[in-house]
Amino acid sequence: EADIYQTPRYLVIGTGKKITLECSQTMGHDKMYWYQQDPGMELHLIHYSYGVNSTEKGDLSSESTVSRIRTEHFPLTLESARPSHTSQYLCASSGQPNTGELFFGEGSRLTVL
Amino acid sequence: AQSVTQPDIHITVSEGASLELRCNYSYGATPYLFWYVQSPGQGLQLLLKYFSGDTLVQGIKGFEAEFKRSQSSFNLRKPSVHWSDAAEYFCAVVNPYGGATNKLIFGTGTLLAVQP
Repeated sequence: EADIYQTPRYLVIGTGKKITLECSQTMGHDKMYWYQQDPGMELHLIHYSYGVNSTEKGDLSSESTVSRIRTEHFPLTLESARPSHTSQYLCASSGQPNTGELFFGEGSRLTVL
Repeated sequence: AQSVTQPDIHITVSEGASLELRCNYSYGATPYLFWYVQSPGQGLQLLLKYFSGDTLVQGIKGFEAEFKRSQSSFNLRKPSVHWSDAAEYFCAVVNPYGGATNKLIFGTGTLLAVQP
């Protein structure tokens, strides 16, 4: 079993609110990722990190931001949520270079009214 | 550039029937290959992976996949489907020579429905 946790699992908020989605892993993995997934759709990489103080934007442009101050923690923040941000956000981590194997959290489903 | 194609968006099978989900990749050499499963409202779970060696790979939950270099395919199979197998299945590849910044490339997924 992978030890990667996301909170909250479900969040319903109003437009303009600031939200932070938390992601923590206890495996000591250097690499962490955020994916965005609309219902029944493919996964889009929006942010990734290869270690502390390292963050990069992914393939899909996102208004969210991330930080990586500690190895185990990779939070995602939306400063002002909008209905277009409604989606499922999946956090993942990887500790093995080049194999590509990812361990996923259970996801955070965000609904912005 | 690498790409992954899952030609079947949606498949329905009867419980107890066999299953094959198709995956084709585009890459100059043999990539590392993965199948992930996503149950409704959940994250993704690794079913199986192929790095090298035996081209028939066994995974969890009774799934297997066969790597065919000549067809650039990595199809997922199960001899007898259970109702609990209803989920979305994602094929993914990564360049084994891509270095430390390598990223996994996912297909668009195949949604499996199981009829009683």
